[in-house]
Order: sequence, then structure tokens, then C-alpha cells
Amino acid sequence: DAKTTQPPSMDCAEGRAANLPCNHSTISGNEYVYWYRQIHSQGPQYIIHGLKNNETNEMASLIITEDRKSSTLILPHATLRDTAVYYCIVSRSGNTGKLIFGQGTTLQVKP
Amino acid sequence: DGGITQSPKYLFRKEGQNVTLSCEQNLNHDAMYWYRQDPGQGLRLIYYSQIVNDFQKGDIAEGYSVSREKKESFPLTVTSAQKNPTAFYLCASNDGTGRIGSGANVLTFGAGSRLTVL
Repeated sequence: DAKTTQPPSMDCAEGRAANLPCNHSTISGNEYVYWYRQIHSQGPQYIIHGLKNNETNEMASLIITEDRKSSTLILPHATLRDTAVYYCIVSRSGNTGKLIFGQGTTLQVKP
Repeated sequence: DGGITQSPKYLFRKEGQNVTLSCEQNLNHDAMYWYRQDPGQGLRLIYYSQIVNDFQKGDIAEGYSVSREKKESFPLTVTSAQKNPTAFYLCASNDGTGRIGSGANVLTFGAGSRLTVL
């Protein structure tokens, strides 16, 4: 599975949009981009995933560049409860759950 | 509500003792997984099981053992052979169908078990 690169930390003001970038320049055509987040001392939580098209759900939006080498997770109106570590993962569907969780981006939402 | 239950949440063990962590799911998922997380680090896969009575080693299986006698249950035993067992252990599951586009890598995680060796 392709490797991802994320900034180690980011800050965001409460109520503003949080834009979390991820580089995955070696992504293959059949690999999806997944985002999870982990609030301190809890299990990771699935947020969203996509292949080529931009995706939106009740939690976030995922913007994938046309060449698929990078993506951005957008939390439209960040709250203090969104403070967490955000993991960007690239994996083929059906890869028996062997997702590689790197160190992710620690997002700190500030009042 | 459907979900994954891990127990105990906190566990203390003396060196040389085996300990078993429980993981139960009522999501009717075929596949279950165990991950280990060390402070400030990502998750590393210990063992996974795609079907009852079958399981495979992950990236760091040494010193651990598992069983999958029931679809709902996937207990992890941390044996005395594990050199550095103090960690946060996470259990996860998915439907494991593997079909392209099925979202088979959408994992549901439990709340975790924190093991400390004294």
C-alpha cells in the first residue's frame, strides 16, 4: 500500500474550517484514501473515504486532486470536540484490514 | 446499539504472567483485528481473522496468541514471551468482503485496553 505524508500538528480556531492535507504521491489506481481520527485514549473512528471523486458526509468533506497524489480533509466548522489525531491512509479495498496508521496530524482546535 | 466491546479497560500484570484481553462484537462482521499502539505512535497490526477458526499473523505477532472459536469473539493473549507488553491494545472489525468498492477497509474499533506490566 502507498505511503502517506501528513504534517505532525495543526491548529484551528473554533468555528472555522479545518483543512488537513495529506500527500500520497505513490498511490495506485485501485487504492482508496481513508481518513480516521483518534481522540485521546480512545479507539480510532472512521470519517470518510474516496477513490477519485470528492466525497462529503455528515462529518467532513474529502477533496482529492485530479492526479490523486494528494488530498485534503475538511471539517467545515471545527469544534473543541474535533481535537484529535487525524490519520490519512491509502489502501486497496479488500486488503484484509491491514491499514497502516502512521503518526497522523494532531489537530488542536482552540477557543 | 451495535459495536465492539473490549475488556478490561485497564489491566496490570506482573512480569512472567500471561494475560487475555477480551473483544466481542455484535455487528455480524466476519473479520476481526488486533492492533497495538505505543505512546505517540501509530497502530501496528498483531493478528487478524477473516473467518471463524482461522487467523493470520500481522506485523508484530511474536509473543501474542489469538483464537476465533465464535464469530463474535476474538480474544488476544499476551504471553510472557512478549518482551515489552505495556501498550494500548485496540480491537477492530469489518465485514471483510474484500469486494472492490465495498469499503471493506472501513474498520469499527473498540475503546481499547491499556495493559501495564509492573
